[in-house]
Amino acid sequence: GEDVEQSLFLSVREGDSSVINCTYTDSSSTYLYWYKQEPGAGLQLLTYIFSNMDMKQDQRLTVLLNKKDKHLSLRIADTQTGDSAIYFCAEVGGSQGNLIFGKGTKLSVKP
Amino acid sequence: GAVVSQHPSRVICKSGTSVKIECRSLDFQATTMFWYRQFPKQSLMLMATSNEGSKATYEQGVEKDKFLINHASLTLSTLTVTSAHPEDSSFYICSAEALQGVYGYTFGSGTRLTVV
Repeated sequence: GEDVEQSLFLSVREGDSSVINCTYTDSSSTYLYWYKQEPGAGLQLLTYIFSNMDMKQDQRLTVLLNKKDKHLSLRIADTQTGDSAIYFCAEVGGSQGNLIFGKGTKLSVKP
Repeated sequence: GAVVSQHPSRVICKSGTSVKIECRSLDFQATTMFWYRQFPKQSLMLMATSNEGSKATYEQGVEKDKFLINHASLTLSTLTVTSAHPEDSSFYICSAEALQGVYGYTFGSGTRLTVV
């Protein structure tokens, strides 16, 4: 079945860039998503990329997609303490058209 | 942009009682709504998919008689946890899918259910 993998933890210093990586299995996914979850809160859509794109930039966020390797990354430039959260990578892959999520990467930003 | 309202955000209930969680799409019509459950430090797992006017489709291992889903209109879906037990304590999040576009995967703010 479909599977999405991502590393569980990432720690960076304030002002540095953060790169969160994700691999997925369903090559037919049309959209791939990055969501942010702050403690006790729901998921906030950060950005998404269409499968025919290699890169998408949105202010401090850059998404890179390597379809051949089924690898997706999220780069956060000039990481701030407010960026500390759990970031989920997701693909559309379920039998119901639902999202399949990775386990989430906990980003810790140190001052 | 698309907004999904979910409430309550937190609920504490006694074991054996039922709890209803509402999920509303505020500015778009949602043909499909998804209910996810998130265990501590784990990812979201799909529980069920509800389509307006039809029965929900439950994922394997999810008890349909325990987690009642109603999707009576294009803007409202409810999840009722019946005869709740402490092991039902979890974070429940709904997601609504719009008729068109990438706004389909808009999430509610989640409900923290604690059964005591």
